[in-house]
Amino acid sequence: ETGVTQSPTHLIKTRGQQVTLRCSSQSGHNTVSWYQQALGQGPQFIFQYYREEENGRGNFPPRFSGLQFPNYSSELNVNALELDDSALYLCASSLKENLNQPQHFGDGTRLSIL
Amino acid sequence: AQRVTQPEKLLSVFKGAPVELKCNYSYSGSPELFWYVQYSRQRLQLLLRHISRESIKGFTADLNKGETSFHLKKPFAQEEDSAMYYCALLNNAGNMLTFGGGTRLMVKP
Repeated sequence: ETGVTQSPTHLIKTRGQQVTLRCSSQSGHNTVSWYQQALGQGPQFIFQYYREEENGRGNFPPRFSGLQFPNYSSELNVNALELDDSALYLCASSLKENLNQPQHFGDGTRLSIL
Repeated sequence: AQRVTQPEKLLSVFKGAPVELKCNYSYSGSPELFWYVQYSRQRLQLLLRHISRESIKGFTADLNKGETSFHLKKPFAQEEDSAMYYCALLNNAGNMLTFGGGTRLMVKP
């Protein structure tokens, strides 16, 4: 069973730039959720993707967007980066049809904005 | 809106002492609650969920709807229990997991 993998592990950007983070879901999973974890805080839900469409969104501005591909992998895109976007970005996958199955997390991408 | 509160940022106990990590929630629907754990240099992983009503690594958690709590307990802490613990609530649609701020548990020898 292949777990959730995220790339890159670390990334440094400057204000105003754009960034794309990638996530491969665990084998057998069809749903991907993205979270932002600022230092010293719990993960905050950004959005979830299922069947290549957004299936729920947290309190994040439109400059946070995503994609899901036919192989269930996903991208998180952030435009016009701000200093407060510095955080660990976590991806989690699950099987939508199995409501009893928990989300499985990746190691995250640490994004630093200068 | 759903909310999860973990009032303690840090909990320090001696090995063999009882542990209780507090979690309170706010949700208008029927809550589904989880405890996730992150050991040093490892990814976030599920510890237990209330619908399973099982004990994992000696930990248990009971959902108290009257007090809107889901506290995590272990009668005798071990050094290997030292980790970051997060309480989380899944909404009824199953598409939004809300986490608390986390509690760092340190078990001293």
